[in-house]
Amino acid sequence: TQLLEQSPQFLSIQEGENLTVYCNSSSVFSSLQWYRQEPGEGPVLLVTVVTGGEVKKLKRLTFQFGDARKDSSLHITAAQPGDTGLYLCAGMYSGGGADGLTFGKGTHLIIQP
Amino acid sequence: ETGVTQTPRHLVMGMTNKKSLKCEQHLGHNAMYWYKQSAKKPLELMFVYSLEERVENNSVPSRFSPECPNSSHLFLHLHTLQPEDSALYLCASSHSPPEVEIYNEQFFGPGTRLTVL
Repeated sequence: TQLLEQSPQFLSIQEGENLTVYCNSSSVFSSLQWYRQEPGEGPVLLVTVVTGGEVKKLKRLTFQFGDARKDSSLHITAAQPGDTGLYLCAGMYSGGGADGLTFGKGTHLIIQP
Repeated sequence: ETGVTQTPRHLVMGMTNKKSLKCEQHLGHNAMYWYKQSAKKPLELMFVYSLEERVENNSVPSRFSPECPNSSHLFLHLHTLQPEDSALYLCASSHSPPEVEIYNEQFFGPGTRLTVL
């Protein structure tokens, strides 16, 4: 069974602070995605990373894919209360056909005003 | 309607009831998925349909029965459920390989919050 470990599991910080959350696996991904889920809703795709070492930016969010394609990080600059939510990473492993993704347990992020 | 819709949003049922969850996608995708989301667990993939054929069934108990009549609709039929089946059931859709440039990016519905008494 392929596992995705996310850390930290919970994070509560003040508005304006910076933070980084991590997603790690012992297996190599063909691609990795980050989703954000708000209470009562389904996950919403934020970004897909494909190439080892790739960095993508989405406003105040920076996503990095590890060189070996086994890990990823999400960095948020100057966090705002609207960033509150459950952040999920999900990987697709090499050779996956029409398969679903493997998800981590997520990081519960709370940004306090 | 746009995106992925799910009905009902909330469902309370007894262990002897039979009910169905419905999912509809308006994105032109040809793969659809059922996931179970429980507290303190990762999303668990239950079923995958690609081009209306079931391609994955992750050891899901037979009390859950999926149906995919066409590429836009997906159902999950429920019968004689157990209290531990209470969870958020999420439907998702995506393009299906071999379009290799599409990395299985999935679009989720809002989910059905199921409570089994």
